This record gives sequence, structure tokens and C-alpha cells, in this order.
Amino acid sequence: AQRVTQPEKLLSVFKGAPVELKCNYSYSGSPELFWYVQYSRQRLQLLLRHISRESIKGFTADLNKGETSFHLKKPFAQEEDSAMYYCALRAGATNKLIFGTGTLLAVQP
Amino acid sequence: GAGVSQSPSNKVTEKGKDVELRCDPISGHTALYWYRQRLGQGLEFLIYFQGNSAPDKSGLPSDRFSAERTGESVSTLTIQRTQQEDSAVYLCASSPGTGFYEQYFGPGTRLTVT
Repeated sequence: AQRVTQPEKLLSVFKGAPVELKCNYSYSGSPELFWYVQYSRQRLQLLLRHISRESIKGFTADLNKGETSFHLKKPFAQEEDSAMYYCALRAGATNKLIFGTGTLLAVQP
Repeated sequence: GAGVSQSPSNKVTEKGKDVELRCDPISGHTALYWYRQRLGQGLEFLIYFQGNSAPDKSGLPSDRFSAERTGESVSTLTIQRTQQEDSAVYLCASSPGTGFYEQYFGPGTRLTVT
């Protein structure tokens, strides 16, 4: 079955602390994974995708096929990082995205 | 340029009524997707259009749900005989094509069935 699991509904950290948002997936083929972010009163937008291997706003994510994980990391959290983060899996040729339930990141001053 | 737009932004309807939700994709985007987000849950895929054909309808939860798309432009999601469990935010996304293109999301329509 194709599934994305984000075990934490809420992650609260202090400004300047490291952040790791967990994401695990279940997929039999070659996965394509994404992180989407939704800031308050804004629409859902793409943060990064694993094939780009880039850092966006200081965030990185590495695909670990052995652990079937795609955790999102940032070494030093900023208050403006507070948002809802969704991990998503593109399910092969169907092009649809399968989303996790999301993690609310709250960065305290 | 303009992003994906959806209307109405909010809709309250009585159980048993039909509703139509509209999505205007970004001009030139051939692929269009509908998703649903119920309270406390992730986004669920409903249907995917490439042009005006729908090669993947696997996410439509029942035959009360249908969608159509005119050419490579506006799409309408119709829910007949609404039920309370249909209450959710309905999101539309478009992309320039299939494959590795990013999906751009609209602001969503919040549907409340009373």
C-alpha cells in the first residue's frame, strides 16, 4: 500500500534550536518525495523535493531508502518557520500526490 | 501572473443538496488535480485531469462525486446529495504537465454540510 506517515501532529521548539520533522513512506516502486508547507493564511506551496537535493530556507531532506524515510531538517529554527508541513509521495505514473497528515511546527521566541 | 483560483471560498449547504465547486487553473497548465482535506487528516487525492480527460478517478469516494473539465481550463467538482461527512476543504492544483512538474495549489473551498 502507498502511505505517508508523519508521526508528530505538533512540534514545538525554541528559536535557534535544531528541527527535524519526521516522514516515513511505504511504496513498492521508486519513490519521488516532497515537502509542502502552508504558512498561516497562505496556500499550500512546495518547499523542496528529493530529486533536487537542494536547501530551501535552510531546510534539507535526504531520502533514505533503507529506512523509507524523508525527514526534514534545519539546524537553527526561525520564528518565521512556524507553519504546517506536509510530506508527500508522488505515486509513480499516476502523478497524484499522497500526503501525510502534517506536522505543525511552532517556533517559540 | 495569477495563481490557481477557486470559488466559492466558503460554502454552507444543507444535507441532501447538491453543490458545485469551481477551479480555475493557471493558464497553460494541462494537468489539474482535486484533493480533499477533512479535519485533522491529510490531503486525499480525488481526481486528476490531463487536458479534459480524467485518466485517474480512483480517489472519488462515491458515485455522488463527479468532476469535469472544459478543455485545458476551468474544472467543476460536483457533489450530489451531500452528507455531513463531505464537510472538508476541497483543494485544486494545476501543473504545466505530468512528470516532474510542481503542483500549484489554490486557496481551497471550505464546504460545511449541516
